[in-house]
Amino acid sequence: QVQLQESGPGLLRPSETLSLTCTVSGDSISSYSWSWIRQPPGKGLEWIGYIYYSGSTNYNPALRNRVTISIDTTENHYSLKLDSVTAADTAVYYCARRDNDEYFFDSWGRGTLVTVSS
Amino acid sequence: SYELTQPLSVSVVLGQTARITCGGDNIGRKNVHWYQQRPGQAPVLVIFRDMNRPPGIPERLSGSNSGNTATLTISRAQAGDEADYYCQVWDSSAFGGGTKLTVL
Repeated sequence: QVQLQESGPGLLRPSETLSLTCTVSGDSISSYSWSWIRQPPGKGLEWIGYIYYSGSTNYNPALRNRVTISIDTTENHYSLKLDSVTAADTAVYYCARRDNDEYFFDSWGRGTLVTVSS
Repeated sequence: SYELTQPLSVSVVLGQTARITCGGDNIGRKNVHWYQQRPGQAPVLVIFRDMNRPPGIPERLSGSNSGNTATLTISRAQAGDEADYYCQVWDSSAFGGGTKLTVL
């Protein structure tokens, strides 16, 4: 059974770059597509973007100019970078596996809280 | 972008049936997925492609989709069903706003 685990700093200052990694175990990352989704405290889910194992990406238009998702198939992990963060980027960040045919998210990490504060 | 509309909250008496709706323009022509998020936990896929359950999801949870409304039905509601529920359509990675289910 596939497992996903997010890792990265939990506290950032405004204008810094958020960097998170999702390590995938129990399945090869060289299939499916792999996503990042976030949830501000007390609010709903917001899709950030996804990357195919081939490296092609698709981003939420609202975040496209600040987001980069990359993948390392040799290390079986993928990463998120979000530039110029503000307090509005404070959220729990989840990584999730996305089915290539039906586009649902069928496996999720536990999530990691990232707080942006001066 | 395609918009999905969910009620903010739904209440159900223990043992009764709850219905959570997800509205969208001609949503009946799209495949809809549903997620359950219990407090403090990550979301879990409970219904995919309108009415299909992943392994381990009880038959009490079912889905339907027609016209402009998709519906998640929870029969014989239990305390453990108290959670937030989100819909998502197959050709958009965006989610509905979420519905908080309270079991009374």
